[in-house]
Amino acid sequence: GENVEQHPSTLSVQEGDSAVIKCTYSDSASNYFPWYKQELGKRPQLIIDIRSNVGEKKDQRIAVTLNKTAKHFSLHITETQPEDSAVYFCAASYPGANNLFFGTGTRLTVIP
Amino acid sequence: NAGVTQTPKFQVLKTGQSMTLQCAQDMNHEYMSWYRQDPGMGLRLIHYSVGAGITDQGEVPNGYNVSRSTTEDFPLRLLSAAPSQTSVYFCASSSLPGGRGQEDTQYFGPGTRLTVL
Repeated sequence: GENVEQHPSTLSVQEGDSAVIKCTYSDSASNYFPWYKQELGKRPQLIIDIRSNVGEKKDQRIAVTLNKTAKHFSLHITETQPEDSAVYFCAASYPGANNLFFGTGTRLTVIP
Repeated sequence: NAGVTQTPKFQVLKTGQSMTLQCAQDMNHEYMSWYRQDPGMGLRLIHYSVGAGITDQGEVPNGYNVSRSTTEDFPLRLLSAAPSQTSVYFCASSSLPGGRGQEDTQYFGPGTRLTVL
């Protein structure tokens, strides 16, 4: 099966700075990479995803990049705001898989 | 639509007790799954179902049973609770396994916080 590793486990940034979270995956057949945000005490919610036929995808202040050769993908948050503080999870899936394979999460703290 | 609902929100059990965590979705999703979330360990898959009458084990199935008699409901049963099962449990659903496209986003329920003494 797939193994997804996520780094760092915690990240603190000043408000307005950028934050980058990185994930690696093991199965070269994986072709779908979503990112989830989980605020304290809440459920995980999808914030952005990318497929393997695309190298980068942006949605306002959030972007995800994918390097298939190196088998890693990253979440970039620009102009961070206190409401970006949350735990972020990356995940991967491959054709025929019956579930998403999640990373262990990154706790992002944005310091006002 | 209510989306994915879970009951109860909180539960305290004594070691050896049994209970059922309820999960329901009203989006007509075929795929449903149960995760447990522990500090530093992310979301670990317990059991999943690709449709009514079909269930399978995930990464950490021991101590849990599931059934899927209808498309809407996917209850998780703890047979004999142990302190190691203290965790937050999330149910999730999507129209296809793994939530592979924007239209197949995996939706999570609000979670059940379980404490086993």
